Amino acid sequence: DSGVTQTPKHLITATGQRVTLRCSPRSGDLSVYWYQQSLDQGLQFLIQYYNGEERAKGNILERFSAQQFPDLHSELNLSSLELGDSALYFCASSVTGVAGANVLTFGAGSRLTVL
Amino acid sequence: GEDVEQSLFLSVREGDSSVINCTYTDSSSTYLYWYKQEPGAGLQLLTYIFSNMDMKQDQRLTVLLNKKDKHLSLRIADTQTGDSAIYFCAESMNNAGNMLTFGGGTRLMVKP
Repeated sequence: DSGVTQTPKHLITATGQRVTLRCSPRSGDLSVYWYQQSLDQGLQFLIQYYNGEERAKGNILERFSAQQFPDLHSELNLSSLELGDSALYFCASSVTGVAGANVLTFGAGSRLTVL
Repeated sequence: GEDVEQSLFLSVREGDSSVINCTYTDSSSTYLYWYKQEPGAGLQLLTYIFSNMDMKQDQRLTVLLNKKDKHLSLRIADTQTGDSAIYFCAESMNNAGNMLTFGGGTRLMVKP
């Protein structure tokens, strides 16, 4: 158990639908990152939050949004789902801000299947 | 194109050494990392190296960094079947919010 909790583990839904993925970071970690892992795109950085504020944005689609709550848990919202959104979505957390080695601790992932 | 590149696949025999290679393009990388992903699991940090270091050893793992050639390698001594996994290298840069950029991963298969 890495200390990063992601729910749900598996999710099957239909095109056009909306889902929410949830992440609880490791205790004491202020940063939360979301990554998408698909077979053809590898591990793609989506977005980072640090202590409730958006810190960095990667290849996140406009249909996707995220937020980090005061208790530091984060949610990734995926809407108007397409077949190509099927992937493993990982959440990771870290202590550090912008200096030093950024040691990410990953959750086990949420596998999304869009039919 | 990708900023961090790795070969897709490596197969070794149990007991041999494995060397997984990675190249990166950004010379301002501050830290370089190796992560391991076992089937059905998230990524697990194996080790990391600061960019002003040439080598780091941790038990069976040896990381070599050639900053001139922007080349990073991970050597696993006495490879075991339990080492079969996907290995990702990653870089972070302080001037980019310390965000990690990952390579595409190398699948290591260890044959008994």
